[in-house]
Amino acid sequence: EIVLTQSPGTLSLSPGERATLSCRASQGVGSSSFAWYQQKPGQAPRLLMYDASSRATGIPDRFTGRGSGTDFTLTISRLEPEDFAVYYCQQYGSSGLTFGGGTKVEF
Amino acid sequence: QLVQSGAEVRKPGASVKVSCKASGYSFISYGITWVRQAPGQGLEWLGWISVNSGNTKYAQKVQGRVSMTTDTSTSMAYMELRSLSSDDTAVYYCARFYDYPWDYFDYWGQGTLVTVSS
Repeated sequence: EIVLTQSPGTLSLSPGERATLSCRASQGVGSSSFAWYQQKPGQAPRLLMYDASSRATGIPDRFTGRGSGTDFTLTISRLEPEDFAVYYCQQYGSSGLTFGGGTKVEF
Repeated sequence: QLVQSGAEVRKPGASVKVSCKASGYSFISYGITWVRQAPGQGLEWLGWISVNSGNTKYAQKVQGRVSMTTDTSTSMAYMELRSLSSDDTAVYYCARFYDYPWDYFDYWGQGTLVTVSS
């Protein structure tokens, strides 16, 4: 099973600042099979990025996903008030499916 | 849209069956997966079902206790979990995916809280 480690656990930032979230896989993730989700309190996760760098429908371009192999990042160029949430990474390569433990972006 | 059934309370050892009603898309063209989230914790994948074929794949942790089914006539998906313990207390989500066997999940239900308590 591929283990995903997200860092940092909590990111304390202000609106307008840049957020960089990291997710490291214990072994290579094939074909950039990597996604990011945003979850707000009391809500279901929301797909942000898939295939490492493709934005889901309706996701603003301030969200950017990059990476391959074992290292992936999600960047939010300028934080808006609605971006403060928990973010999860997920890999769905040939060896199965796992989630990271989450990064909380707080104000 | 995926709309799930309401909250449930069960005693240890009992079973629970959560439903997920799909609308707005071709139900048989996608699979349904189930993910749970214990209070204050992260996301845990439980398994998936191919709506078209009925094939299933379950996570090892719940293998033998979980059953996932669908009813294509009503666009409903179901997840039954048996022999419940307090460790099964969580919000259970259904979600849609396209590619087999592993994919991302583009639409999610609102979640169903299952509480296991004596």
